[in-house]
Amino acid sequence: ELKVEQNPLFLSMQEGKNYTIYCNYSTTSDRLYWYRQDPGKSLESLFVLLSNGAVKQEGRLMASLDTKARLSTLHITAAVHDLSATYFCAVNIINTGTASKLTFGTGTRLQVTL
Amino acid sequence: NAGVMQNPRHLVRRRGQEARLRCSPMKGHSHVYWYRQLPEEGLKFMVYLQKENIIDESGMPKERFSAEFPKEGPSILRIQQVVRGDSAAYFCASSPPNPVGDSGNTIYFGEGSWLTVV
Repeated sequence: ELKVEQNPLFLSMQEGKNYTIYCNYSTTSDRLYWYRQDPGKSLESLFVLLSNGAVKQEGRLMASLDTKARLSTLHITAAVHDLSATYFCAVNIINTGTASKLTFGTGTRLQVTL
Repeated sequence: NAGVMQNPRHLVRRRGQEARLRCSPMKGHSHVYWYRQLPEEGLKFMVYLQKENIIDESGMPKERFSAEFPKEGPSILRIQQVVRGDSAAYFCASSPPNPVGDSGNTIYFGEGSWLTVV
């Protein structure tokens, strides 16, 4: 059974500083996703990582994937209050063809303080 | 191009009643997924459907839950005889039939249906 673990589960960030969230998964996968969720809202797609060594950046967020280590990181540069939310990584279970059956991590709740 | 549409957004049911949640995928998407999110938890896969077919229902509880995606109309997740433990957010997601590149592989989620059982 595929397990996806995120750490930390909660992160209190100071504005302007840099932080990293880690996502480990237990079996081979061909796709890894990062999502953001605000309280009571749906999931906003941030990144999809398709290959080993993939790196994607959008604004203050940068995601990378190391399929050999089964590890993805989400790096936050110079945190700002708008980034406060819960961030989930999700891994696609391989061998499902074109489908995407995702296993989600437990989420990391980020809170940015002044 | 409208996104994944779910309704109702909020639903309150008494124990023992039935809940029906509807989902219309994005235009051009033929794969529909249902996920459940309990409070303070991540999303858990329930079922994957294509038109008129259930492809994978390994995450569905064995009793009281069913899903369909008819030839015409939205996908429906049906929960019979609801219990308090069914209170959760139910998210529908969709993806295209032949994903290519980043946009093709992106899974789009609807706004969710929040079920409260009283």
